[in-house]
Amino acid sequence: DQQVKQNSPSLSVQEGRISILNCDYTNSMFDYFLWYKKYPAEGPTFLISISSIKDKNEDGRFTVFLNKSAKHLSLHIVPSQPGDSAVYFCAASGGFGNEKLTFGTGTRLTIIP
Amino acid sequence: NAGVTQTPKFQVLKTGQSMTLQCAQDMNHEYMSWYRQDPGMGLRLIHYSVGAGITDQGEVPNGYNVSRSTTEDFPLRLLSAAPSQTSVYFCASSYREGAGGYTFGSGTRLTVV
Repeated sequence: DQQVKQNSPSLSVQEGRISILNCDYTNSMFDYFLWYKKYPAEGPTFLISISSIKDKNEDGRFTVFLNKSAKHLSLHIVPSQPGDSAVYFCAASGGFGNEKLTFGTGTRLTIIP
Repeated sequence: NAGVTQTPKFQVLKTGQSMTLQCAQDMNHEYMSWYRQDPGMGLRLIHYSVGAGITDQGEVPNGYNVSRSTTEDFPLRLLSAAPSQTSVYFCASSYREGAGGYTFGSGTRLTVV
Protein backbone atom coordinates (compact mmCIF):
# COMPACT_ATOMS: atom_id res chain seq x y z
CA ASP A 1 0.00 0.00 0.00
CA GLN A 2 1.80 3.07 -1.30
CA GLN A 3 0.85 5.94 1.01
CA VAL A 4 2.88 8.51 -0.92
CA LYS A 5 2.59 8.36 -4.69
CA GLN A 6 4.54 10.00 -7.46
CA ASN A 7 2.71 8.89 -10.57
CA SER A 8 5.15 10.32 -13.10
CA PRO A 9 8.36 8.28 -13.21
CA SER A 10 10.00 10.82 -15.49
CA LEU A 11 9.65 14.38 -16.72
CA SER A 12 11.55 16.38 -19.36
CA VAL A 13 11.54 20.18 -19.37
CA GLN A 14 13.30 22.78 -21.48
CA GLU A 15 15.92 24.87 -19.71
CA GLY A 16 14.42 28.13 -18.45
CA ARG A 17 10.88 26.78 -18.30
CA ILE A 18 8.92 25.72 -15.23
CA SER A 19 9.21 22.18 -13.88
CA ILE A 20 6.22 20.87 -11.93
CA LEU A 21 6.57 17.65 -9.97
CA ASN A 22 3.50 16.15 -8.36
CA CYS A 23 2.89 13.99 -5.30
CA ASP A 24 -0.27 12.49 -3.82
CA TYR A 25 -0.76 10.94 -0.40
CA THR A 26 -3.47 8.82 1.14
CA ASN A 27 -2.76 8.98 4.89
CA SER A 28 -4.65 11.88 6.46
CA MET A 29 -2.36 11.70 9.50
CA PHE A 30 0.53 13.10 7.45
CA ASP A 31 1.02 16.75 8.26
CA TYR A 32 4.59 17.52 7.28
CA PHE A 33 5.93 17.12 3.77
CA LEU A 34 9.39 17.30 2.27
CA TRP A 35 11.07 17.16 -1.11
CA TYR A 36 14.47 15.58 -1.63
CA LYS A 37 16.74 15.69 -4.65
CA LYS A 38 19.04 12.81 -5.55
CA TYR A 39 21.93 12.61 -7.97
CA PRO A 40 23.33 9.22 -9.08
CA ALA A 41 25.67 7.56 -6.58
CA GLU A 42 24.84 10.14 -3.90
CA GLY A 43 22.44 10.24 -0.99
CA PRO A 44 19.25 12.30 -1.18
CA THR A 45 19.60 15.94 -0.18
CA PHE A 46 16.87 17.96 1.48
CA LEU A 47 15.33 20.58 -0.79
CA ILE A 48 12.26 22.16 0.79
CA SER A 49 9.49 21.31 3.24
CA ILE A 50 5.99 22.44 4.16
CA SER A 51 3.83 22.05 7.20
CA SER A 52 0.14 21.29 6.85
CA ILE A 53 -0.75 24.65 8.38
CA LYS A 54 0.56 26.29 5.22
CA ASP A 55 -0.43 25.96 1.59
CA LYS A 56 2.76 27.36 0.09
CA ASN A 57 6.44 27.59 0.93
CA GLU A 58 9.03 29.27 -1.24
CA ASP A 59 12.82 29.08 -1.27
CA GLY A 60 14.51 30.78 -4.19
CA ARG A 61 13.61 28.96 -7.39
CA PHE A 62 11.73 26.26 -5.50
CA THR A 63 8.12 26.49 -4.34
CA VAL A 64 6.06 23.75 -2.77
CA PHE A 65 2.27 23.92 -2.83
CA LEU A 66 0.04 21.84 -0.57
CA ASN A 67 -3.64 21.10 -1.17
CA LYS A 68 -4.80 19.25 1.93
CA SER A 69 -8.33 18.65 0.75
CA ALA A 70 -7.01 16.91 -2.36
CA LYS A 71 -4.11 15.29 -0.46
CA HIS A 72 -1.81 16.64 -3.13
CA LEU A 73 1.41 18.58 -3.19
CA SER A 74 3.58 19.86 -5.97
CA LEU A 75 7.09 21.21 -6.38
CA HIS A 76 7.64 24.06 -8.84
CA ILE A 77 11.11 24.90 -10.10
CA VAL A 78 11.41 28.22 -11.93
CA PRO A 79 13.46 28.70 -14.01
CA SER A 80 14.70 25.17 -14.57
CA GLN A 81 18.45 24.75 -14.93
CA PRO A 82 20.57 21.83 -16.22
CA GLY A 83 21.83 21.19 -12.68
CA ASP A 84 18.24 20.45 -11.64
CA SER A 85 18.39 17.16 -13.57
CA ALA A 86 18.04 14.55 -10.83
CA VAL A 87 15.53 12.22 -9.18
CA TYR A 88 13.10 14.02 -6.88
CA PHE A 89 11.47 12.25 -3.97
CA CYS A 90 8.41 13.44 -2.11
CA ALA A 91 8.25 12.41 1.57
CA ALA A 92 5.71 12.75 4.36
CA SER A 93 5.64 12.36 8.12
CA GLY A 94 3.10 12.41 10.90
CA GLY A 95 4.40 15.50 12.58
CA PHE A 96 6.95 18.26 12.54
CA GLY A 97 10.27 16.57 13.13
CA ASN A 98 8.70 13.11 13.20
CA GLU A 99 11.34 10.45 12.89
CA LYS A 100 9.56 8.27 10.35
CA LEU A 101 9.44 9.50 6.79
CA THR A 102 7.40 7.77 4.10
CA PHE A 103 8.82 8.31 0.63
CA GLY A 104 7.31 8.27 -2.82
CA THR A 105 8.88 6.31 -5.66
CA GLY A 106 10.55 9.34 -7.21
CA THR A 107 10.37 11.32 -10.45
CA ARG A 108 13.40 11.61 -12.73
CA LEU A 109 13.61 15.19 -14.00
CA THR A 110 15.66 15.90 -17.09
CA ILE A 111 16.33 19.49 -18.08
CA ILE A 112 16.95 19.85 -21.81
CA PRO A 113 19.46 22.59 -22.70
CA ASN B 1 33.52 17.70 7.02
CA ALA B 2 30.39 17.32 9.12
CA GLY B 3 27.88 14.85 7.86
CA VAL B 4 26.83 11.22 7.74
CA THR B 5 29.55 8.70 6.89
CA GLN B 6 28.68 5.24 5.61
CA THR B 7 31.08 2.37 5.10
CA PRO B 8 31.65 0.40 2.98
CA LYS B 9 30.50 2.02 -0.27
CA PHE B 10 30.25 -1.33 -2.07
CA GLN B 11 29.93 -4.89 -0.82
CA VAL B 12 29.31 -8.30 -2.36
CA LEU B 13 28.11 -11.05 -0.05
CA LYS B 14 27.29 -14.68 -0.54
CA THR B 15 23.90 -15.95 0.54
CA GLY B 16 23.94 -16.76 4.24
CA GLN B 17 26.85 -14.50 5.15
CA SER B 18 26.45 -11.80 7.76
CA MET B 19 27.87 -8.32 7.80
CA THR B 20 27.51 -4.90 9.41
CA LEU B 21 26.98 -1.67 7.53
CA GLN B 22 28.51 1.19 9.45
CA CYS B 23 26.99 4.64 9.89
CA ALA B 24 28.39 7.57 11.86
CA GLN B 25 27.34 11.20 12.18
CA ASP B 26 29.14 14.09 13.84
CA MET B 27 26.28 16.58 14.03
CA ASN B 28 24.94 15.46 17.43
CA HIS B 29 21.68 14.47 15.79
CA GLU B 30 19.19 12.57 17.95
CA TYR B 31 17.35 10.82 15.14
CA MET B 32 19.03 8.20 12.92
CA SER B 33 17.48 5.91 10.35
CA TRP B 34 18.30 3.26 7.80
CA TYR B 35 16.55 3.17 4.43
CA ARG B 36 16.88 0.90 1.44
CA GLN B 37 16.31 2.03 -2.11
CA ASP B 38 15.07 -0.39 -4.73
CA PRO B 39 14.00 0.34 -8.33
CA GLY B 40 10.38 1.46 -8.48
CA MET B 41 10.03 1.32 -4.69
CA GLY B 42 11.43 4.62 -3.50
CA LEU B 43 13.13 4.62 -0.11
CA ARG B 44 11.76 2.30 2.54
CA LEU B 45 12.47 2.61 6.24
CA ILE B 46 14.21 -0.38 7.81
CA HIS B 47 14.93 0.71 11.39
CA TYR B 48 15.18 4.00 13.20
CA SER B 49 16.38 5.43 16.48
CA VAL B 50 15.28 8.52 18.42
CA GLY B 51 18.31 8.50 20.70
CA ALA B 52 21.05 6.39 22.22
CA GLY B 53 19.67 3.13 23.53
CA ILE B 54 16.35 3.49 21.70
CA THR B 55 15.54 1.75 18.41
CA ASP B 56 12.37 0.72 16.62
CA GLN B 57 11.27 -1.05 13.47
CA GLY B 58 10.34 0.61 10.25
CA GLU B 59 8.47 -0.69 7.24
CA VAL B 60 10.85 -3.50 6.20
CA PRO B 61 12.79 -4.68 9.30
CA ASN B 62 12.97 -8.44 8.67
CA GLY B 63 16.51 -9.76 8.31
CA TYR B 64 18.12 -6.71 9.87
CA ASN B 65 19.22 -5.73 13.37
CA VAL B 66 20.33 -2.38 14.75
CA SER B 67 21.71 -0.97 17.97
CA ARG B 68 22.43 2.57 19.15
CA SER B 69 24.99 2.56 21.92
CA THR B 70 26.18 6.10 21.21
CA THR B 71 24.63 9.21 19.68
CA GLU B 72 27.12 9.09 16.81
CA ASP B 73 26.87 5.50 15.58
CA PHE B 74 24.00 3.45 14.19
CA PRO B 75 25.22 0.18 12.60
CA LEU B 76 22.93 -2.05 10.54
CA ARG B 77 23.51 -5.80 10.78
CA LEU B 78 22.45 -8.31 8.15
CA LEU B 79 22.04 -11.57 10.00
CA SER B 80 22.00 -14.03 7.08
CA ALA B 81 22.16 -12.30 3.73
CA ALA B 82 19.60 -13.17 1.05
CA PRO B 83 19.43 -12.11 -2.62
CA SER B 84 16.31 -10.07 -1.74
CA GLN B 85 18.56 -7.83 0.35
CA THR B 86 20.44 -6.68 -2.73
CA SER B 87 19.85 -2.95 -2.62
CA VAL B 88 21.32 0.46 -1.96
CA TYR B 89 21.28 1.30 1.74
CA PHE B 90 21.17 4.84 3.09
CA CYS B 91 21.74 6.01 6.62
CA ALA B 92 20.27 9.36 7.67
CA SER B 93 20.22 11.59 10.73
CA SER B 94 18.38 14.68 11.91
CA TYR B 95 17.65 16.82 14.91
CA ARG B 96 14.54 15.85 16.81
CA GLU B 97 12.72 18.88 15.55
CA GLY B 98 13.42 21.15 12.68
CA ALA B 99 12.45 22.00 9.18
CA GLY B 100 15.64 20.73 7.61
CA GLY B 101 14.71 17.12 7.26
CA TYR B 102 17.20 14.29 7.31
CA THR B 103 20.85 14.41 6.23
CA PHE B 104 21.68 11.31 4.24
CA GLY B 105 24.92 9.46 3.79
CA SER B 106 26.19 8.60 0.32
CA GLY B 107 24.95 5.02 0.49
CA THR B 108 26.20 1.43 0.47
CA ARG B 109 25.54 -0.66 -2.62
CA LEU B 110 25.10 -4.26 -1.50
CA THR B 111 24.88 -7.25 -3.79
CA VAL B 112 24.00 -10.68 -2.43
CA VAL B 113 24.81 -13.59 -4.74
